[in-house]
Formats: sequence, structure tokens, C-alpha cells
Amino acid sequence: QVQLQQSGPGLVKPSQTLSLTCAISGDSVSSNSAAWNWIRQSPSRGLEWLGRTYYRSKWFNDYAVSVRSRITINPDTSRNQFSLQLNSVTPEDTAVYYCARQDIEVAAHFDSWGQGTLVTVSS
Amino acid sequence: EIVMTQSPATLSVSPGEGATLSCRASQSVSSNLAWYQQKPGQAPRLLIYAASTRATGLPARFSGSGSGTEFTLTISSLQSEDFAVYYCQQYNNWPYTFGQGTKLEIK
Repeated sequence: QVQLQQSGPGLVKPSQTLSLTCAISGDSVSSNSAAWNWIRQSPSRGLEWLGRTYYRSKWFNDYAVSVRSRITINPDTSRNQFSLQLNSVTPEDTAVYYCARQDIEVAAHFDSWGQGTLVTVSS
Repeated sequence: EIVMTQSPATLSVSPGEGATLSCRASQSVSSNLAWYQQKPGQAPRLLIYAASTRATGLPARFSGSGSGTEFTLTISSLQSEDFAVYYCQQYNNWPYTFGQGTKLEIK
């Protein structure tokens, strides 16, 4: 059973960088049948997919157009985890952030989720 | 971007009764649709993928149907633990998009 454990600060100042980490147990970040995603949820935007990283002989990333200029998702194979960095945040980035595993082999649904981290952007 | 529209926004049902939740896509997503359940303070939980395949361990009272642009999640004989918010999500086209949710509440 895959478990995802999120960590990172819950308060970020405007214009700074939001950084979160998702530790994986029960699977590998280098798995050829999974992708590792970040999704956020806010009252104004609902559930919004932000991006993913996955390994298919080399590392790939896909990002949502809405955040493409500000987002980086990196794998960390030594710690079996992946991270989210979102630069130049504004109050509109205030949301609950989730990491999620995507089963690529069967379909492309999100079958495991982290517990969520409420990130507030405020000075 | 594919827009997912769920209806109704809120559904009031008595325990023991059945419920039917709808999800419509702005263009065809084939059968590349998932349903999730979310309770307050929790992450979404996968219920259904490929429009009609139940996730491991999901009770048989949950069923999904549909293809193309029209999808349905049916819950028969509602239990107290089923009252929550339900989301549909398409993974046929980039970017992946979610519906706005249907809140299933106790009548």
C-alpha cells in the first residue's frame, strides 16, 4: 500500500517561494508505472492539477500552463521523495496542497494522496 | 481545457436511499474519468476509475457508468459514511481537470 507523507511550511510571504516535500513509502519515485503529482485545492479554484514528475529511462516533467513559469517539481531518488517549488507566490496561491500518485500502467487516475498541507500566503 | 460540470451542487438524501450524481464533460473524454470522495479535513479518495472500475476495497454499492461526455456515479442504500463531497476528474486531455463537486448531505 502506497503512503505519501507531506512536509513543509504552512505560511509563506508574498513574492517568496513555496516549498513542499512528499515522502513515498510502498513505491519508488523511479517507478516506471507511476507519476508523482502536485494538486491544490482552494474555494475559488477548486481542485487544480499543478504538475508531475515521472521516470521513463530519464526524468520528465509536465506542468499546468497557469503556473508553468513559476513551478519546479523535482524527484529525490536518495530519499524516495519529490518536491514542489512555486516561486513568486501571491495570496491567490493560498490553498491546500496535495501530493498524489498517478497510476500510469492501468489508467491515469490518482490512487494515493498525501494528507494535504494548508499553505497561506500572507505577510 | 476540458470543463467538467457536476450536478446537482447539493443532493439531500436519507440514509438507506440511493443517490445518483452526474458529471458532464465539455468534450469527449472517452472512458478516462475518475470519481473521488472527500470528507472534511481529508484528502480526496479514489472511488472509480476508467468510468466504471471500482477501486480496491470499494463497496459494491458504488457504481460508475457513462462514456464520452456523460457520466454517472450511483450509490445504492446510502450509509452514514457516504455523506461527503464527490468529484469527477478527466484524464483524457491535458490539463487534467476536476468538476466542482457535488455535496451529498443527509436529508
